[in-house]
Amino acid sequence: DQQVKQNSPSLSVQEGRISILNCDYTNSMFDYFLWYKKYPAEGPTFLISISSIKDKNEDGRFTVFLNKSAKHLSLHIVPSQPGDSAVYFCAASARAGGTSYGKLTFGQGTILTVHP
Amino acid sequence: ETGVTQSPTHLIKTRGQQVTLRCSSQSGHNTVSWYQQALGQGPQFIFQYYREEENGRGNFPPRFSGLQFPNYSSELNVNALELDDSALYLCASSSQGVNNSPLHFGNGTRLTVT
Repeated sequence: DQQVKQNSPSLSVQEGRISILNCDYTNSMFDYFLWYKKYPAEGPTFLISISSIKDKNEDGRFTVFLNKSAKHLSLHIVPSQPGDSAVYFCAASARAGGTSYGKLTFGQGTILTVHP
Repeated sequence: ETGVTQSPTHLIKTRGQQVTLRCSSQSGHNTVSWYQQALGQGPQFIFQYYREEENGRGNFPPRFSGLQFPNYSSELNVNALELDDSALYLCASSSQGVNNSPLHFGNGTRLTVT
């Protein structure tokens, strides 16, 4: 039962353009969502998060949008840079109640390639 | 600020053996979680430790066990290794009780079971 899905295994964009990575979830108990970036031979690095009380969160070139009714979130990277080339994971957790802060449910990942 | 460190980086074991992986959490963090990442997949939650007790467990059999020490470092033990246990094992730390504190991951231990 895949509760978090990233349906695009890969995405290729030109440097300077926008990268849009998508993620869908099924569990309505999820109330906190995160994006991680992973380079080969390294652990996932936290990028940006959003709580379910918001529909948008921005941090520099990275913006995450949350559509609760559609159970969909997306990560926008503008402008894309070659150094952004990595695997991007969407993750979700159910934090209400204050337990299991460390339990994240991850999607399968999307390989982003930014061409110079 | 010291990040999450894991040891060893690589390990090769034979089916049926036992393995112990180690993790030092980021300074100031009191919760440690362990994840298994199979090739081509996202990380899967194994379990979480808070105040030296298991506090949440994923869909993994009892031969996966762990410990958390008073300094918040942690171990993951896997008994009776199977070929399917070959994966990248990731440790992550966070601050339970701090709203919206994200997990910070180590670089992982690559375990190969032959």
